[in-house]
Amino acid sequence: EDQVTQSPEALRLQEGESSSLNCSYTVSGLRGLFWYRQDPGKGPEFLFTLYSAGEEKEKERLKATLTKKESFLHITAPKPEDSATYLCAVQDGGATNKLIFGTGTLLAVQP
Amino acid sequence: KAGVTQTPRYLIKTRGQQVTLSCSPISGHRSVSWYQQTPGQGLQFLFEYFSETQRNKGNFPGRFSGRQFSNSRSEMNVSTLELGDSALYLCASSFTGDSDTQYFGPGTRLTVL
Repeated sequence: EDQVTQSPEALRLQEGESSSLNCSYTVSGLRGLFWYRQDPGKGPEFLFTLYSAGEEKEKERLKATLTKKESFLHITAPKPEDSATYLCAVQDGGATNKLIFGTGTLLAVQP
Repeated sequence: KAGVTQTPRYLIKTRGQQVTLSCSPISGHRSVSWYQQTPGQGLQFLFEYFSETQRNKGNFPGRFSGRQFSNSRSEMNVSTLELGDSALYLCASSFTGDSDTQYFGPGTRLTVL
């Protein structure tokens, strides 16, 4: 069964303290891995799409990487406004186009 | 370019009633997917529509249904509401759905009393 596991469930950082979030997945044939950010009471906001192992993408303080079994979201010198829940999702290689989501990592960045 | 819009943003219903939620995708997007988000289960896929046809369906009971119109706007309906249907219902759109990035709307918060 396709599965996405995110760790840690929650992470508290001091402003400027870099860290990484993990997303491990089991899927029959990966067609895409997606990272989203979600603020309380809002819909997920798209961050990155990764399609193949070895691929990396960056945006401001965030960098996403992908291997055959997991993806990392690296946060460099975070600021309080980076506080949010970060969601990872995969799209499997079957006939369906649904996204399978992990339960997310709740990130709190303290000033 | 306008994003995905969902109406209404908040709904309060009682058990046994039915509800219809609406979603307008980003202009040019033809695939619309619906997800249910709850604290216990996270984000779960309900169904996907493309060119007015349901292309995929998740593991939800038949009380959950949807449709898509020729302008790609979509509605989902939940009949005979149960307490457990209380959730944030999210709509996402993409060009075709085939490995395209899905962009989410703000969601409709449904509370069933």
